[in-house]
Amino acid sequence: GNSVTQMEGPVTLSEEAFLTINCTYTATGYPSLFWYVQYPGEGLQLLLKATKADDKGSNKGFEATYRKETTSFHLEKGSVQVSDSAVYFCALSVKGGSYIPTFGRGTSLIVHP
Amino acid sequence: GAGVSQTPSNKVTEKGKYVELRCDPISGHTALYWYRQSLGQGPEFLIYFQGTGAADDSGLPNDRFFAVRPEGSVSTLKIQRTERGDSAVYLCASSSTGERTGELFFGEGSRLTVL
Repeated sequence: GNSVTQMEGPVTLSEEAFLTINCTYTATGYPSLFWYVQYPGEGLQLLLKATKADDKGSNKGFEATYRKETTSFHLEKGSVQVSDSAVYFCALSVKGGSYIPTFGRGTSLIVHP
Repeated sequence: GAGVSQTPSNKVTEKGKYVELRCDPISGHTALYWYRQSLGQGPEFLIYFQGTGAADDSGLPNDRFFAVRPEGSVSTLKIQRTERGDSAVYLCASSSTGERTGELFFGEGSRLTVL
């Protein structure tokens, strides 16, 4: 089946620190990969995506590269801000049928001033 | 509306009661998904609609759970004989199947507490 494994949180950083949140996946078929973010009191929203190997998704200073050889899609940001404090979910969907996304358990990020 | 709307935002009920949760998707989105999110966990798939029909209900945990989408827009998730283990945030999402990318737009969720 399809599954996503994320690093346990919370991740606690000071403002302007470098961020990495690890994500690895298992998929039957060729997946598209996503990072969703959930800010406090809000619904999940798409942060970035990549649909084929070696693609890099990017948005709001965040980046993630689709690595087929290591089945990974790690999220990175060079300099985090307090406003980046949120829960980050890695997800995949497999081509064919309904594209129903499978989500990881989420990683909480706390950024201190 | 501009986004996916879910009501109620919070529901407290007693064990054994019946509950309905409503989802109003983004206008024009034909695909609609229900997920359940327990504390500290990621969203867990329940059911997917394409138009009025349930295209995949493999995630429904048992026959106490049922969902409908009679006119291909608003959907209602129905839970009979609620149990304490049903307590969770129920998420609704919609998407435009023209893209077929798996990219979803989520509502803020309905938090269900079963006492």
